[in-house]
Amino acid sequence: RKEVEQDPGPFNVPEGATVAFNCTYSNSASQSFFWYRQDCRKEPKLLMSVYSSGNEDGRFTAQLNRASQYISLLIRDSKLSDSATYLCVVNKASNTGKLIFGQGTTLQVKP
Amino acid sequence: DAGITQSPRHKVTETGTPVTLRCHQTENHRYMYWYRQDPGHGLRLIHYSYGVKDTDKGEVSDGYSVSRSKTEDFLLTLESATSSQTSVYFCAISSPLNSGANVLTFGAGSRLTVL
Repeated sequence: RKEVEQDPGPFNVPEGATVAFNCTYSNSASQSFFWYRQDCRKEPKLLMSVYSSGNEDGRFTAQLNRASQYISLLIRDSKLSDSATYLCVVNKASNTGKLIFGQGTTLQVKP
Repeated sequence: DAGITQSPRHKVTETGTPVTLRCHQTENHRYMYWYRQDPGHGLRLIHYSYGVKDTDKGEVSDGYSVSRSKTEDFLLTLESATSSQTSVYFCAISSPLNSGANVLTFGAGSRLTVL
């Protein structure tokens, strides 16, 4: 079993749609969680951290369920510019900063 | 921007030749990382460094070596390149958020093709 698992998609949605991505992780001792965004042939960039209480940044909402070891990302009112691959990322519960990446979920927003 | 540059950005080489990729940072960060990204696998950690001359292996370190003689430079070497090492290589630095969690900032990547 992979340490971080995501549905690779692709998710094809129309502009304005709401779309949700899920991610599961295997290490119950993991402490830090993130969503990164990666555009085609570019480097990954931090989209947002994920906190136990849930957090929102504009149209993006991230949630963490520690009991189920599950992370989600909700995008409301999708824009064409949201088309990208979204990577779920989990820290290995150490202080080295080593992160484990899911293989990513591809989103394609269509006009 | 975090001030990370990778070189070369693109390289085509032949099986059996040595290859060195360079990562340079201007932010004086202690931790630096080399990842490779392949379809179906996502990003996988090759080696990382926690200071000058201090390095450790990641999950896919076989066939790779690293060196860090200065804070700002982290080199990844393929002693004898193989076709399975065709990949996109990303360097990253680690920096803390206000929450205390460490996040990675990546360089633009180095695309390596081994024929």
